[in-house]
Amino acid sequence: GENVEQHPSTLSVQEGDSAVIKCTYSDSASNYFPWYKQELGKGPQLIIDIRSNVGEKKDQRIAVTLNKTAKHFSLHITETQPEDSAVYFCAAREGGTSYGKLTFGQGTILTVHP
Amino acid sequence: GAVVSQHPSRVICKSGTSVKIECRSLDFQATTMFWYRQFPKKSLMLMATSNEGSKATYEQGVEKDKFLINHASLTLSTLTVTSAHPEDSSFYICSASGGGVTDTQYFGPGTRLTVL
Repeated sequence: GENVEQHPSTLSVQEGDSAVIKCTYSDSASNYFPWYKQELGKGPQLIIDIRSNVGEKKDQRIAVTLNKTAKHFSLHITETQPEDSAVYFCAAREGGTSYGKLTFGQGTILTVHP
Repeated sequence: GAVVSQHPSRVICKSGTSVKIECRSLDFQATTMFWYRQFPKKSLMLMATSNEGSKATYEQGVEKDKFLINHASLTLSTLTVTSAHPEDSSFYICSASGGGVTDTQYFGPGTRLTVL
């Protein structure tokens, strides 16, 4: 099955700085890679996703890059704000079908200091 | 769009009782729904996958007789924790996917279960 490794486990930045979280996956057939933000006591919220046919996707201050050859993908948050503080999870969907389950990384606790 | 609700948000029950958690997709038809369990400061652990009208597929190590899943319609799935024990206390989260080009998984707000 798929295995997803996420680093770092904790990340502390100053407001306005950039934050980068990296994930690697094992199944070369995986074709969909979402990122979720989870605030304390709430369910994960999709913030951006990327499919295997593109290398980069951007949405305002958030971007995701995908390197299929190296089997890794990264989340980039620019101009961080205190409200970006949360736990971030990457995930990879097992390849082959649109209904494949997601395998999640271990999570990154992001703290943005004002 | 893509809103998923869960009810209840929080439940406390006595050991030995059963608890039902509902998951609803409010503005789309969910071909597939997923149930996860999350321990404090841990990642999401998939328990089972259910497709509308079919039996759920359980992950290895998850007791299907203890965690009953029903996906009777395209907008509703239920998880029943039977004969709950304190070790079943956890945060249970569902997600829903429309399948095909809308196969993004959208998560509900979660249900905090505490078994006394």
